[in-house]
Amino acid sequence: EVQLVESGGDLIQPGGSLRLSCAASGFTFSSYAMNWVRQAPGKGLEWISYISNVGSTIYYADSVKGRFTISRDNAENSLYLQMNSLRAEDTAVYYCATLPRNWVFYFDSWGLGTLVTVSS
Amino acid sequence: EIVMTQSPATLSVSPGERATLSCRASQSVGSNLAWYQKKPGQAPRLLIYGASTRATGIPARVSGTGSGTDFTLTISSLHSEDFAVYYCQQYDNWPLTFGGGTKVDIK
Repeated sequence: EVQLVESGGDLIQPGGSLRLSCAASGFTFSSYAMNWVRQAPGKGLEWISYISNVGSTIYYADSVKGRFTISRDNAENSLYLQMNSLRAEDTAVYYCATLPRNWVFYFDSWGLGTLVTVSS
Repeated sequence: EIVMTQSPATLSVSPGERATLSCRASQSVGSNLAWYQKKPGQAPRLLIYGASTRATGIPARVSGTGSGTDFTLTISSLHSEDFAVYYCQQYDNWPLTFGGGTKVDIK
């Protein structure tokens, strides 16, 4: 059974940095691309970043480009999101999510999310 | 960026009735359209991909239709567990984009 467990969310001041992690199990992590998707309070879902299975291809939403960095460690079955220059509008629950196979970009498994609150 | 517009924002339906949700894309996405269900405190759940293919474990009362720019999610007879927020998502172009959601609540 696919399991994705996010961690690292916290209350952080504007301008600060935070690193989120997603621990994956139940599938061959190194064979699958991964994503981060977020949901701000009372708002809809927003895709923010994609990384291919070996990390050679990365995409970001414009809202986080230049501030956030996605990475992965296939030996540790882990996905990461380094978040810098955080803003109040980055406050959200952050989910990691898998794609069912390469070159198909809908999300078939999700974690429960981790809450990031950016506030002074 | 492809803008996804869902309507209505809220749909009030009685248990056992049919719910019809709409999703419109600002340009054609072919059949590269997925639907998700989201409940508070839970992970989003994939319902439909390829505009009309049910994901594993999704009951037959849930169906998706459409192609190009106009899509519909239909729940033929609402059960208590179906009251939730539903999102469409296009995966034809980067960036991947979601609609604003339709909340299905109890009438």
